[in-house]
Amino acid sequence: DAKTTQPNSMESNEEEPVHLPCNHSTISGTDYIHWYRQLPSQGPEYVIHGLTSNVNNRMASLAIAEDRKSSTLILHRATLRDAAVYYCILRDVSRTYKYIFGTGTRLKVLA
Amino acid sequence: DAGITQSPRHKVTETGTPVTLRCHQTENHRYMYWYRQDPGHGLRLIHYSYGVKDTDKGEVSDGYSVSRSKTEDFLLTLESATSSQTSVYFCAISGQGQETQYFGPGTRLLVL
Repeated sequence: DAKTTQPNSMESNEEEPVHLPCNHSTISGTDYIHWYRQLPSQGPEYVIHGLTSNVNNRMASLAIAEDRKSSTLILHRATLRDAAVYYCILRDVSRTYKYIFGTGTRLKVLA
Repeated sequence: DAGITQSPRHKVTETGTPVTLRCHQTENHRYMYWYRQDPGHGLRLIHYSYGVKDTDKGEVSDGYSVSRSKTEDFLLTLESATSSQTSVYFCAISGQGQETQYFGPGTRLLVL
């Protein structure tokens, strides 16, 4: 199974953009890149996903490298409510149950 | 928010006793999952279901069994709880397209 590598923690100032990196050098052609986040004492929640092209939604943007071996989750203006653990996950569409959660990146937002 | 509830939300039990956790959904989604979350391990899949009476093992299924007799309920049973099963348990659901999983609020289980 393809694995992801993320920094253990990052800090950002409130109202500034945040770029959360993820390396997935062994990604296969059928792996979608998903991002989830987990707020304190809650279950994970979906943020965004993509396959090859960059994606935007109301929560964030996902930038995918041309070779797909890395991706970056972009929060355009961090708020205190964005403090969470962010997980980068690869999901193989041929094995749809297969979510491999790593330990994620703990984002701290400073007021 | 997806309609997912878990019960109980907190439970303390003793080693060797059976424990059943319930996940209930109101979304009529086909797929349901049980994960456990432990410090340093992230979330790990225990069992999942792809329909009524259709279940399969995940990566950490030893010591756990599941049942799904109707679409809305997915039960996780610890036949004889051990201290190593102390964890936070999350249920998740996903629909036919399976692009997104929606997670419940979690059940915190302490096995003494």
